[in-house]
Amino acid sequence: DVKVTQSSRYLVKRTGEKVFLECVQDMDHENMFWYRQDPGLGLRLIYFSYDVKMKEKGDIPEGYSVSREKKERFSLILESASTNQTSMYLCASSSTHRTDTQYFGPGTRLTVL
Amino acid sequence: QKEVEQNSGPLSVPEGAIASLNCTYSDRGSQSFFWYRQYSGKSPELIMFIYSNGDKEDGRFTAQLNKASQYVSLLIRDSQPSDSATYLCAPRGSSNTGKLIFGQGTTLQVKP
Repeated sequence: DVKVTQSSRYLVKRTGEKVFLECVQDMDHENMFWYRQDPGLGLRLIYFSYDVKMKEKGDIPEGYSVSREKKERFSLILESASTNQTSMYLCASSSTHRTDTQYFGPGTRLTVL
Repeated sequence: QKEVEQNSGPLSVPEGAIASLNCTYSDRGSQSFFWYRQYSGKSPELIMFIYSNGDKEDGRFTAQLNKASQYVSLLIRDSQPSDSATYLCAPRGSSNTGKLIFGQGTTLQVKP
């Protein structure tokens, strides 16, 4: 079974702190994704990566950066957390095959005070 | 026009009925289509995928695809209260990055 893990289920940070969210997948997938999900707004893509050290902006990259130094690990960084970044953050991975879906991690609920 | 459109609901059906969830998409290059179920507070989980026109059945679930009409649907037969969740439609874009375009989801309520 594909397994995608995220470093924390719940996280509470203060405004201005630097926040790292980590995601690890064990299926040797090329593609990895970071989303945030807010009530009424659905899943919104922040960044994705299709190879080590490669990244592309999604729909809402402002205020975020990412790092992918190893194939299995994709990190989301909030350089200076703000209250409007309070959200559920979901990581996913997939292969490049056209019928392969994205497999999601359990999510991190981040609260910025 | 949104890239993927779903009726947000809630769609309410009695236990044992058929629930019909619909989705339209704008990218004609989309080749694969995925349905996810998401329980409140949980992450999405895949329940069906389809990439050929027509119907695909898996247990109580049937996915239907009509590429000419850019329409995909999910039927749930013999609906159970445990099917109450939000269902997300997600066409896979025409690139090979694995990027999915998610709809906002339809909330289904199955009443005992």
